[in-house]
Amino acid sequence: NAGVTQTPKFRVLKTGQSMTLLCAQDMNHEYMYWYRQDPGMGLRLIHYSVGEGTTAKGEVPDGYNVSRLKKQNFLLGLESAAPSQTSVYFCASSSGAATNNQPQHFGDGTRLSIL
Amino acid sequence: GENVEQHPSTLSVQEGDSAVIKCTYSDSASNYFPWYKQELGKRPQLIIDIRSNVGEKKDQRIAVTLNKTAKHFSLHITETQPEDSAVYFCAASLKTSYDKVIFGPGTSLSVIP
Repeated sequence: NAGVTQTPKFRVLKTGQSMTLLCAQDMNHEYMYWYRQDPGMGLRLIHYSVGEGTTAKGEVPDGYNVSRLKKQNFLLGLESAAPSQTSVYFCASSSGAATNNQPQHFGDGTRLSIL
Repeated sequence: GENVEQHPSTLSVQEGDSAVIKCTYSDSASNYFPWYKQELGKRPQLIIDIRSNVGEKKDQRIAVTLNKTAKHFSLHITETQPEDSAVYFCAASLKTSYDKVIFGPGTSLSVIP
């Protein structure tokens, strides 16, 4: 049981390049989330999904797109990378809504640097 | 918008002492309050959570208290050990069109042997 797996673990991009971060979970969770973590700012929600085929914007969605074509996968895309997107990206999943007391399970993170 | 404040941002304690981290939230509809621990270079991991109908919850050396009237909750760690050194994040659920949590900015706890 791998839990939440993120690929890649590290990546360096040049400004303007595009890339996709992959998150996969094997817990049959409905909810999936993408966060970015920057020093002193905690975890900020980029986009999330409450089920296959659904997506919604979080606190900081600009410059990112997501897709949830399969229940187990949640993809985060950067269409034209900018230095401000240098961060550590975490994916998380949960079996249900936060108000139903369902905790989130996190992946190991992707460290992304934009030059 | 809704937010969660967390204090202090850094905390140093001697091994064996207690540590307290406090959070306040703004959404009066929040009803779920998890705490996550993140060791250096690792993923955040849930250590304890509390529901709005409970005032206190304990799990060995850690406890969380909730005051819904004042909209604040706290994490208490007793008999601290060096392995407790980490960044701790509080969070509160938000009742929007889709449920999610909002995280506090984190507290870096250092336990000095």
